[in-house]
Amino acid sequence: DTEVTQTPKHLVMGMTNKKSLKCEQHMGHRAMYWYKQKAKKPPELMFVYSYEKLSINESVPSRFSPECPNSSLLNLHLHALQPEDSALYLCASSQDHRGAYTFGSGTRLTVV
Amino acid sequence: AQSVTQPDIHITVSEGASLELRCNYSYGATPYLFWYVQSPGQGLQLLLKYFSGDTLVQGIKGFEAEFKRSQSSFNLRKPSVHWSDAAEYFCAVPPGNNNDMRFGAGTRLTVKP
Repeated sequence: DTEVTQTPKHLVMGMTNKKSLKCEQHMGHRAMYWYKQKAKKPPELMFVYSYEKLSINESVPSRFSPECPNSSLLNLHLHALQPEDSALYLCASSQDHRGAYTFGSGTRLTVV
Repeated sequence: AQSVTQPDIHITVSEGASLELRCNYSYGATPYLFWYVQSPGQGLQLLLKYFSGDTLVQGIKGFEAEFKRSQSSFNLRKPSVHWSDAAEYFCAVPPGNNNDMRFGAGTRLTVKP
């Protein structure tokens, strides 16, 4: 298995909703990442998990809450989002420090 | 910290023509450098990577890139572009000792018939 799987592919949520994005990989990668990508912009790093521990939080608002239940899974819990949070959310994983990333196809999030 | 700059926001080439996408990096030592491609609405796919050694790197889909220390560049090339190569291309570098890949602004490639 050489893929990163993200679910759902599309999500529409209201500003008072609570939802979660899921990411799964079975490549034995020990680092996992969440990126946010707005239209016509590069991906922006949100969080990094290394060996299931949060190692980087790029000053992301608390309405985004990451979770790494085990080495294969990464969740992003969403609560009280704003319309400007609408974006493509990408998950990625890598084998080790500075290794090449494998990206999922993303979740297209729309906040209404 | 390491960073990359992609000077070209948008490039248009004719199908069958050659392609070169520019990437400049800023770092004192030899950096790790990557090129990724993103089709509309999709995730990013690794095209190729440079860690050390041979400065000409071969990637997937017929792409190659050359690391030139004297020019601080890592330009992506393809001898003959296909319509399916139309996409966004990102040069990337991990700037520090953490696992955090940072991307250039991207170059959007349009392929004319």
